[in-house]
Amino acid sequence: DAGVIQSPRHEVTEMGQEVTLRCKLISGHNSLFWYRQTMMRGLELLIYFNNNVPIDDSGMPEDRFSAKMPNASFSTLKIQPSEPRDSAVYFCASSSQGQVGNSPLHFGNGTRLTVT
Amino acid sequence: GNSVTQMEGPVTLSEEAFLTINCTYTATGYPSLFWYVQYPGEGLQLLLKATKADDKGSNKGFEATYRKETTSFHLEKGSVQVSDSAVYFCALSDPSNTGKLIFGQGTTLQVKP
Repeated sequence: DAGVIQSPRHEVTEMGQEVTLRCKLISGHNSLFWYRQTMMRGLELLIYFNNNVPIDDSGMPEDRFSAKMPNASFSTLKIQPSEPRDSAVYFCASSSQGQVGNSPLHFGNGTRLTVT
Repeated sequence: GNSVTQMEGPVTLSEEAFLTINCTYTATGYPSLFWYVQYPGEGLQLLLKATKADDKGSNKGFEATYRKETTSFHLEKGSVQVSDSAVYFCALSDPSNTGKLIFGQGTTLQVKP
């Protein structure tokens, strides 16, 4: 089991540029969560999907942020245009949800985004 | 609303010292409770969990007991090692069973030789 795979590990970009973060879920998992981690705010849930459908995007800070699941095993988080205050570590996590209960969240190693 | 509060860090201990990291929660319904650990440069990893009142979760010498009467889930370890240095997060599951976790702010533990 390769675990949740995120790419890139580090991204440095200039203000105004588009940034795309990628995430591959663990095979068989049907729930996907995007979190953002900063010193000031800790871990914030941005959005989560269940069976490819966005369930709650209330944590997405602005319209500049968008997330998709083009298929059951892959997700992208896009920021357009990026701003310096978007600098953070972005984590993707997946789990298996079912009627008999949920598996724990499995996190990727994160993408450290720096917007200058 | 549902929330988790952890003791503020950093916590600095000498090797072999006893560790307690306090965690209290507010929740409707009957959430599951978790401790996650984050080592430098890595994502969060599940350390232990408890799914109902009076359950004790344990792993790698760490343990925590789900106390409904005090709404707490304190993390303990009898003898810490330098390799335990990390950030520890307490979390609760969304009681509506969406799979969503609500995290505390994290507590940094530094263990010195």
